[in-house]
Order: sequence, then structure tokens, then C-alpha cells
Amino acid sequence: DAGVIQSPRHEVTEMGQEVTLRCKPISGHNSLFWYRQTMMRGLELLIYFNNNVPIDDSGMPEDRFSAKMPNASFSTLKIQPSEPRDSAVYFCASSIGTGRTGELFFGEGSRLTVL
Amino acid sequence: AQTVTQSQPEMSVQEAETVTLSCTYDTSESNYYLFWYKQPPSRQMILVIRQEAYKQQNATENRFSVNFQKAAKSFSLKISDSQLGDTAMYFCAFMKRNTDKLIFGTGTRLQVFP
Repeated sequence: DAGVIQSPRHEVTEMGQEVTLRCKPISGHNSLFWYRQTMMRGLELLIYFNNNVPIDDSGMPEDRFSAKMPNASFSTLKIQPSEPRDSAVYFCASSIGTGRTGELFFGEGSRLTVL
Repeated sequence: AQTVTQSQPEMSVQEAETVTLSCTYDTSESNYYLFWYKQPPSRQMILVIRQEAYKQQNATENRFSVNFQKAAKSFSLKISDSQLGDTAMYFCAFMKRNTDKLIFGTGTRLQVFP
């Protein structure tokens, strides 16, 4: 099993540019999560999907952030326009989604630096 | 809203010794799960151990065990016979039953010394 695959692993961009982070969940998993990790705020849940439908996006910081899941095997997190305070590691995770196990499988994260 | 608190930002332990990481949480729910996740320097989060709130017996996984005190809303992780490979950030997490939303604490950085 390939695990959760995220790309890019590292992204350096300039303020104002659009950033797109990509995630391929584990095949057969029904839930997908986007987390952001910073030193100041720790791990924050941004949004999660169940069966490709956004269930809870209350953690999305502002309208500059958007996430999509067009099919069961792909999701994107987009930031437009990006700002220096968006610099963080962004994790994608997936789970079976039964609400009974709680085990999330994480990708290796995408480290974003906005200059 | 649920909150998870880890009051120890950093801990250290000598190899082969035992260390306990603390976690408290706040919830009005009665059915939930608690977890400890490990994040080594490679950055990838790995599940260490899981506890179901309705089970009184403390979960164990090899060298890892928990002390779950439901009334006190406390969930500590004990690592026995610490190994260098245990060096990592450890996150306590809460999930309400029948949801998939995992709420993390701020983490404890554990350093294991030779």
C-alpha cells in the first residue's frame, strides 16, 4: 500500500502567488482531512471530506483558502493569494471513515514557505 | 467544544528508562476515543495507541501504555524501556464517537538520550 501521497514536499513562493497542494488518499478510505501545522498553533484541522463531500470546513482560515475533492482518489488545497503567515506544513490524512476507529493515516506533509 | 491540553512542551529521558507524558481534555461527550500520535523528525504522524472511552481497561501496545482516568479527563502515555527511536513529538488527540474529526493537543517533544 502506497500510503497517503502528498505533493509537493516543499514549496517556496512569493506573497500573492497561488499555491496548490495535492493529496492522494489511501485507496478505499472514505474520509480525507487537511491539517496545518505551525509552531504557534500546533495541528489545526482545516477541512475534512467524507465520500468526497466537505463535512466540516470551519477550520479554513479565510476565503483565500479553498479545498476540493473531485473524486475519491484526489484532493487539492488551494491558497490564493498566498501570504507569509500561511507558511506552515500542510498535512493530508485519510481514514476508513467509520467514525469508530479514529486512525488517520498521514502523508509526509507539504512544507510551504511564502516569502 | 472539545479541547486537548498537553502541559509539558518538552521532556527528556535516558535510554532504557521510563517516561510519562501527560494529557488532559475537556468534553461534555460520553462516547469518544483518545489517541497518542507520534511525529518523528521525518514529519510523518504515526498512531501509537488508542483508547475507547467506554472501556475501563487501559490500552497497551508493547512498550507503550496509557493511564486513562475518565472522571479526571486525564490520558497519560507511559513509555517503558525508552529507545533512541522514540525521540519525537507526541500528540494527544480526541475524537467524538461517530465523527471523524480528530482534535490534537499542542504536543510534547520527547528526547531520548543514550
